[in-house]
Amino acid sequence: GAGVSQTPSNKVTEKGKYVELRCDPISGHTALYWYRQSLGQGPEFLIYFQGTGAADDSGLPNDRFFAVRPEGSVSTLKIQRTERGDSAVYLCASSPDGTYGYTFGSGTRLTVV
Amino acid sequence: GIQVEQSPPDLILQEGANSTLRCNFSDSVNNLQWFHQNPWGQLINLFYIPSGTKQNGRLSATTVATERYSLLYISSSQTTDSGVYFCAVDLGAGNNRKLIWGLGTSLAVNP
Repeated sequence: GAGVSQTPSNKVTEKGKYVELRCDPISGHTALYWYRQSLGQGPEFLIYFQGTGAADDSGLPNDRFFAVRPEGSVSTLKIQRTERGDSAVYLCASSPDGTYGYTFGSGTRLTVV
Repeated sequence: GIQVEQSPPDLILQEGANSTLRCNFSDSVNNLQWFHQNPWGQLINLFYIPSGTKQNGRLSATTVATERYSLLYISSSQTTDSGVYFCAVDLGAGNNRKLIWGLGTSLAVNP
């Protein structure tokens, strides 16, 4: 597509529920990133994919968070047993190869109540 | 880990004024980027600038890698320049591609 698409744009869920956030990168971009941004903060790195594999998942805060990119295109960030502290804007970005040309999506605003 | 500090944290300008935003980083970096986040949350890359000077219209950026700082210049500011300006660094090649971000400079340009 023309840009990075993230769905849903907003998600409200109850504490303890499971959520999935989707990122559709620019076609042909091999690198895909997930970041999380809390109010008044800069984005915080979560995970980086190069193709289908997670090249760096050191930013995932705990084992409730998991991300996949099975065909090297669309990625899904999965959060189990959501907590109120997970509330944030989740941003996805893609890049042709991870060295330049970052394009961010508009983000998914997750609110855990 | 590496620290990225931005100043000032907040800035209010009258339309037409010029400004300089600063980014200090605590260690050698592979690359440095400046981003603009508009009031609706969209992040746009402005510059990739590990060293030297680049210009794009009314914006320019300079990075002095040996002294570990970068500057973003905004000239003849417009209301559409409002938003948050972030500096972000990445640490190296291979799989180490994550960006470390500063807290940003929040800019408001008044008409």
